[in-house]
Amino acid sequence: DTGVSQDPRHKITKRGQNVTFRCDPISEHNRLYWYRQTLGQGPEFLTYFQNEAQLEKSRLLSDRFSAERPKGSFSTLEIQRTEQGDSAMYLCASSPHLGEKLFFGSGTQLSVL
Amino acid sequence: EDQVTQSPEALRLQEGESSSLNCSYTVSGLRGLFWYRQDPGKGPEFLFTLYSAGEEKEKERLKATLTKKESFLHITAPKPEDSATYLCAVQDNNQGGKLIFGQGTELSVKP
Repeated sequence: DTGVSQDPRHKITKRGQNVTFRCDPISEHNRLYWYRQTLGQGPEFLTYFQNEAQLEKSRLLSDRFSAERPKGSFSTLEIQRTEQGDSAMYLCASSPHLGEKLFFGSGTQLSVL
Repeated sequence: EDQVTQSPEALRLQEGESSSLNCSYTVSGLRGLFWYRQDPGKGPEFLFTLYSAGEEKEKERLKATLTKKESFLHITAPKPEDSATYLCAVQDNNQGGKLIFGQGTELSVKP
């Protein structure tokens, strides 16, 4: 059990550029969650997958955000046309079953200049 | 709508000075209430899950309790290494397993 892995750890980009983050969940965890966290706040839910199906997407998530989980393994989160307000820590988490605790990765820190 | 509010936002303690963190919640149907610890620049680390009012769980200097409206995280004789942000989250029966987090309490323990 190597834990939830996220790549990259840090990303600096210019406003208007597209960025993509990757998350590798714990093996055999069929549920995968994406969260966003800004300084001094708790994690905010973005979206989640059960296997390859995206089952819920936050109303707060703009159309510039898209997530995929092909084959129900790793997941990617893409942000198009980044804005300064997108600067945050993007956290990925996985869990084995409904109702179980979530295991979090170390996150990707995005800075949009 | 599910909501979690934590207080205080920040807490400074001297080593050995016991205290409690509060988590008030509103949820349509509680599946579980979770406590996590988060160190700077890292993801949240799981501490406890509580499922029903009256339940208590302990781990080293930490003890979590649950009522129908709130949860407390009691810290007994804290040490500097307990310094971190403590996050409370609820899981709703009808929300597919996602956690709704509070804003956290930043705890600082001075030697």
